[in-house]
Amino acid sequence: QSALTQPASVSGSPGQSITISCTGTSSDVGGYNFVSWYQQHPGKVPKLIIYEDNKRPSGVSNRFSGSKSGNTASLTVSGLQAEDEADYYCCSFAGSRIFVLFGGGTKLTVL
Amino acid sequence: QVQLQESGPGLVKPSETLSLTCTVSDYSARSGYYWGWIRQPPGKGLEWIGTIHLSGSTYYNPSLNSRVTISSDTSKNQFSVRLSSVTAADTAVYYCARGGGSVGVDFDFWGQGTLVTVSS
Repeated sequence: QSALTQPASVSGSPGQSITISCTGTSSDVGGYNFVSWYQQHPGKVPKLIIYEDNKRPSGVSNRFSGSKSGNTASLTVSGLQAEDEADYYCCSFAGSRIFVLFGGGTKLTVL
Repeated sequence: QVQLQESGPGLVKPSETLSLTCTVSDYSARSGYYWGWIRQPPGKGLEWIGTIHLSGSTYYNPSLNSRVTISSDTSKNQFSVRLSSVTAADTAVYYCARGGGSVGVDFDFWGQGTLVTVSS
């Protein structure tokens, strides 16, 4: 089973919005409502920012939002701030045999 | 606030078995959750290794399935991973994490991670 597909990098200017895609198949992303997103700053532990496709854990900024269409999930970061510069990973439930798949990660650069 | 802490050797020889333990605070928080191991090779992305539920069910990454075993010791608030026949490709930061949600793939609490280097 291949990892979920994410763009290697995205960039945006402060105040702008960016979207990171995460493409899978009907056996993972498109088959369940269990896509999560993680933010990881250099040298730090990954942090859960979106779960179950579009839910935000308590304490996570509402500038982060998740959505999904078919086999592609998306993370949108609005009102970009310098502190948003980090790596972002998507993750999906993939059924009882595969169970968990991660995306390859996307480096977000705030210009 | 659930806290997790990985422990184990930081250096393992090729062909040997990597063994790590995760100690979880707040025993009551363990109930109903899944507990996973995730690794990250230097400069690379996250890779799920496997997950255990307190019911005893285990789930493994198919690419590692033949080499990995995850177990738990509830009396010690711990769960562990063993990865056999390691090579340099297994060099990574290893994280333990709590899997929330109905299928345990919302990793909401993580340990700090421990770097394991495979080298002779």
